[in-house]
Amino acid sequence: DAKTTQPPSMDCAEGRAANLPCNHSTISGNEYVYWYRQIHSQGPQYIIHGLKNNETNEMASLIITEDRKSSTLILPHATLRDTAVYYCIVRVGGATNKLIFGTGTLLAVQP
Amino acid sequence: NAGVTQTPKFQVLKTGQSMTLQCAQDMNHEYMSWYRQDPGMGLRLIHYSVGAGITDQGEVPNGYNVSRSTTEDFPLRLLSAAPSQTSVYFCASSYSNGVYEQYFGPGTRLTVT
Repeated sequence: DAKTTQPPSMDCAEGRAANLPCNHSTISGNEYVYWYRQIHSQGPQYIIHGLKNNETNEMASLIITEDRKSSTLILPHATLRDTAVYYCIVRVGGATNKLIFGTGTLLAVQP
Repeated sequence: NAGVTQTPKFQVLKTGQSMTLQCAQDMNHEYMSWYRQDPGMGLRLIHYSVGAGITDQGEVPNGYNVSRSTTEDFPLRLLSAAPSQTSVYFCASSYSNGVYEQYFGPGTRLTVT
């Protein structure tokens, strides 16, 4: 599975959009980009995933560059409850569902 | 649905003791896995299973055993606890053979003295 690089921390003002970047320059054609978050030592929570098209759900949007070497998770209107560590993970869909976590980005939403 | 449940929530062991961390899911998921998370770190995969009777090692399997006799349950056994196994342990489950979200349990906080 390709390696990902994320900034260790980011701040965002409450009510503003939070844009979390992820670099995955060695991604291969059949690898998906997943985003999970972990709120204060709880179990991680799935947010969204995509292959090459941009994706949107009720939680967030995922923008993947055309060359697929980077992506951005967008929380459109961040709230204090969005303060968490956000993990970007790249993996192949297949028989197993192994996720390899890095250290993620700590997003601090400020009032 | 209860989702993924883990017991106990907290546990303190002495070095050399053994114990089993329980994990159960009621979503009929084929895939289950165990992770550990040390302070300030991401999660590391210990063992995983793609179905009853099938298990495999992850990144950090040493000192842990697993078995999968039913679809619902995936216990993690610590054979002889060591202080280095002090960590938070998360169990997760999902459907297999595709691109599926994983559901995580609330975690077990283990301290080995």
